[in-house]
Amino acid sequence: DAGVTQSPTHLIKTRGQQVTLRCSPKSGHDTVSWYQQALGQGPQFIFQYYEEEERQRGNFPDRFSGHQFPNYSSELNVNALLLGDSALYLCASSFGPLYNEQFFGPGTRLTVL
Amino acid sequence: SQQGEEDPQALSIQEGENATMNCSYKTSINNLQWYRQNSGRGLVHLILIRSNEREKHSGRLRVTLDTSKKSSSLLITASRAADTASYFCATAPWIQGGSEKLVFGKGTKLTVNP
Repeated sequence: DAGVTQSPTHLIKTRGQQVTLRCSPKSGHDTVSWYQQALGQGPQFIFQYYEEEERQRGNFPDRFSGHQFPNYSSELNVNALLLGDSALYLCASSFGPLYNEQFFGPGTRLTVL
Repeated sequence: SQQGEEDPQALSIQEGENATMNCSYKTSINNLQWYRQNSGRGLVHLILIRSNEREKHSGRLRVTLDTSKKSSSLLITASRAADTASYFCATAPWIQGGSEKLVFGKGTKLTVNP
């Protein structure tokens, strides 16, 4: 049973560029949440997708957007990259959107130069 | 903003000793969860305790929750070198209509020396 998978593992971009990160949820899960983790900090909630809709959003600007596909996989897009966007981006999946245990992927390490 | 705060920020113990980490939070919650993270990679779910529960066990882990003090503790008994990792508490805030997000603290970095 495959767990949560994310791609790519590492990514290097320059300021102003755009990036797309991908996530496939654990088998049987229908909800995907995205988190940003800066070095030495805990993960910060970006947003969550359920039934192909954004359910809730954290304190992130509109440069951060996402999408969920009918097969429950998800993408995180970040436009106009800033140096401060350098972080580990974590995807988590769960069954149902509310109050449930979340299973995390290994993350994508994004470096913005 | 982060709701939870773990204490201590760093903890170093010898193999076989017990490790205790604490978490405080600010708002009402539906549940509180503990996660482990090795070397800045993905988080592994350890245990979930609901707001109407006071204590929960899973193997060598014991979690307590005191909603009156808005605090939780994670005890790892008979620690092993493989327990070396960062440990995070995450709260599921209670809001009307349901809350989908987890709010994480900054974590406790545990080092278990062989």
